[in-house]
Amino acid sequence: AQSVTQPDIHITVSEGASLELRCNYSYGATPYLFWYVQSPGQGLQLLLKYFSGDTLVQGIKGFEAEFKRSQSSFNLRKPSVHWSDAAEYFCAVGRNDDYKLSFGAGTTVTVRA
Amino acid sequence: ETGVTQSPTHLIKTRGQQVTLRCSSQSGHNTVSWYQQALGQGPQFIFQYYREEENGRGNFPPRFSGLQFPNYSSELNVNALELDDSALYLCASSFGQGSDTQYFGPGTRLTVL
Repeated sequence: AQSVTQPDIHITVSEGASLELRCNYSYGATPYLFWYVQSPGQGLQLLLKYFSGDTLVQGIKGFEAEFKRSQSSFNLRKPSVHWSDAAEYFCAVGRNDDYKLSFGAGTTVTVRA
Repeated sequence: ETGVTQSPTHLIKTRGQQVTLRCSSQSGHNTVSWYQQALGQGPQFIFQYYREEENGRGNFPPRFSGLQFPNYSSELNVNALELDDSALYLCASSFGQGSDTQYFGPGTRLTVL
């Protein structure tokens, strides 16, 4: 069964600084990989996804992620964070012959002025 | 194009009662998945419906059941509510079977007293 680990529970970053959120997955074949963002009391919004092809994926709100098969990682990055990026971020893994997404426990991002 | 909608937004029940949560899928989508998100955790897969049939189920007891209707909207029913059922219940819609890109609704916050 696939699993996802997000090693950082909480990250604090200054506005305008860069951000990197880590995600490691466990799965034997090439997975489908996703990053979602959740604002307080809200549902999940899709930031970006990787199915195949170019390992550097661009998403919404200036986010990007890089799939590294050798490290079983799919880290999310943003060059310059805005106060509105404060939220909880979830990495998820799926596969083309399965029906569910498996989520990590999430990383809470706090942005300080 | 309308997104995924869920009702009600909030719900308070007592232990032992039954509850029904509703979800309308995004236009053009024929698959609905339900997830439970306990406080401080990532979403956990409950089950998926594809063209009105249950397509897969996570590690949840039979008192969690569902339906999908011809218009692809869906219901989640939970019988004999327990305190641990208190959570945010998320509905996600997608096109086709498998874990293709899932788009989430805002969720229903269930509190069991």
